Amino acid sequence: GIQVEQSPPDLILQEGANSTLRCNFSDSVNNLQWFHQNPWGQLINLFYIPSGTKQNGRLSATTVATERYSLLYISSSQTTDSGVYFCAADGTSYGKLTFGQGTILTVHP
Amino acid sequence: DGGITQSPKYLFRKEGQNVTLSCEQNLNHDAMYWYRQDPGQGLRLIYYSQIVNDFQKGDIAEGYSVSREKKESFPLTVTSAQKNPTAFYLCASSFGLLGRTNTEAFFGQGTRLTVV
Repeated sequence: GIQVEQSPPDLILQEGANSTLRCNFSDSVNNLQWFHQNPWGQLINLFYIPSGTKQNGRLSATTVATERYSLLYISSSQTTDSGVYFCAADGTSYGKLTFGQGTILTVHP
Repeated sequence: DGGITQSPKYLFRKEGQNVTLSCEQNLNHDAMYWYRQDPGQGLRLIYYSQIVNDFQKGDIAEGYSVSREKKESFPLTVTSAQKNPTAFYLCASSFGLLGRTNTEAFFGQGTRLTVV
């Protein structure tokens, strides 16, 4: 099945800093999503982005499907951005999103 | 409000008991899924259902059972055969089936199960 790798595993920032999270995947995809898992465990949908570029406020994402990677950009980070960011992709396995191991982001005031 | 509702949020179970986790969605999605998350880990697929009265095993189905009698509902039973049931369980849904169509998955708030 598809392999999904995220980097870096941990990221510590000061408030106001920018960051880039990377997701590499090993197969072609119909679905690639970025999620933010909050301290209560809920997975918040950030982007559905199997290809192209999208922006939502301070967050943006780009997926280059031909090179099998996706990037999540966080600008002007805030303490509320802290949490775990997951990338997930479906590949050719029916019924399944394969998750990366996540990036733990900590933003200090 | 449209969404996915999981209940209860927290569940405690004695060893040897079966327990059922509820998942209801009002998004009119055909496909539903159950995932398990262990501390510091990503999510792993337990079962999925593409349509009513049909469901398939995922990567870690042993010790779990499901049913899909209604489009809106996909309950998960954690049986006594599951060796390490303590985990965070997340239900998801999508219009089409992941891996087959271009479709986005949405998740419920999760149920934290602890075996005591």
